[in-house]
Amino acid sequence: GESVGLHLPTLSVQEGDNSIINCAYSNSASDYFIWYKQESGKGPQFIIDIRSNMDKRQGQRVTVLLNKTVKHLSLQIAATQPGDSAVYFCAENIRGSTLGRLYFGRGTQLTVWP
Amino acid sequence: EAEVAQSPRYKITEKSQAVAFWCDPISGHATLYWYRQILGQGPELLVQFQDESVVDDSQLPKDRFSAERLKGVDSTLKIQPAELGDSAMYLCASTPGQGRVKDTQYFGPGTRLTVL
Repeated sequence: GESVGLHLPTLSVQEGDNSIINCAYSNSASDYFIWYKQESGKGPQFIIDIRSNMDKRQGQRVTVLLNKTVKHLSLQIAATQPGDSAVYFCAENIRGSTLGRLYFGRGTQLTVWP
Repeated sequence: EAEVAQSPRYKITEKSQAVAFWCDPISGHATLYWYRQILGQGPELLVQFQDESVVDDSQLPKDRFSAERLKGVDSTLKIQPAELGDSAMYLCASTPGQGRVKDTQYFGPGTRLTVL
């Protein structure tokens, strides 16, 4: 994406531990963020989203935190399982861009080992 | 569960040849997207359709790429002629609404293109 990036390209965690995947963005007009999971050979799958008027949102085993001050987004996965192994992307919608258009970051490869 | 269908799943071609990819979105989905995903990177939007109309093709290399969605249902993305740098995964996604920000994009499995 044009303004979305990631701090770490790879992350390895032990099964049962919590995982934190980070994402930085630079556009102040970004007002909507989504996390996608992409398993090998498959298309991206929606995990969770958050609007810029929120700083936290929780789903099943996942939590997204948004810090607009430092333009940082994180995905927390609780009790990481082998099935969580995949590449995780953050994507953003920039206010003023084409409705629905998403800009994707580069991705973090999460590997879960037993 | 309804899914976005894409074919072929894999395509190998020589440079300067023409290639075409097909996408069938989830039934009833009005908005359709084509993305290109280079290995190790996130998807990048090529073209967005609302029904049969193009609403965003600003990132589509129009000298060689074309896309159509004639009846507002399935779509075809064509490359002619293919270049080595076109090797990538081509993803199709669809949403049920009018491309609103909150409409979840559902992705197909993609077509892996290799240009030799």
